[in-house]
Amino acid sequence: DGGITQSPKYLFRKEGQNVTLSCEQNLNHDAMYWYRQDPGQGLRLIYYSQIVNDFQKGDIAEGYSVSREKKESFPLTVTSAQKNPTAFYLCASSIPGTNYGYTFGSGTRLTVV
Amino acid sequence: SQELEQSPQSLIVQEGKNLTINCTSSKTLYGLYWYKQKYGEGLIFLMMLQKGGEEKSHEKITAKLDEKKQQSSLHITASQPSHAGIYLCGADPRNYGQNFVFGPGTRLSVLP
Repeated sequence: DGGITQSPKYLFRKEGQNVTLSCEQNLNHDAMYWYRQDPGQGLRLIYYSQIVNDFQKGDIAEGYSVSREKKESFPLTVTSAQKNPTAFYLCASSIPGTNYGYTFGSGTRLTVV
Repeated sequence: SQELEQSPQSLIVQEGKNLTINCTSSKTLYGLYWYKQKYGEGLIFLMMLQKGGEEKSHEKITAKLDEKKQQSSLHITASQPSHAGIYLCGADPRNYGQNFVFGPGTRLSVLP
């Protein structure tokens, strides 16, 4: 079955460390997205990519980095520059220009210890 | 600024009761999506509405888009504990530029 796989489900990071969250999809979707979700707040867009080897900053890109070397993969690195990284991170994909909406992964909960 | 608003912010109902969640847009909607999220999980697609006055149902959940295409409601009939979660509306990117916009979500609790 096609879908989006995020790993790991839970991740703990020490202050000052970089960590990378994995997102893989086998839906053949061109576009992929990373969102951050905090309690009581909606989804906030971190980065998105409409095509391989290209990506754009979202609303809260500071302290994060991404790459899109393959259509299937869109990893997110949370750097030490991100001052408050503890959050729930969601990856999504879509076919731009269609009515199919976004397909979401099951999320990664990152906690700074 | 928040372009999609949802009300109420949270809702607690007794099992078997009906309930309604609203989503309001500052712009005429090209398409409106409803998603459900269980705590600690990803978003699950429920329904998509595009035409003014359109109504869709899935099991005990009905979503409507008003004629002016600026407001949508999600109605749950005879709620069950399995309906508990966060309901989010999302606007088609053709409304708001390049990317989806999501409402802040409505947290629903259903008491057995």
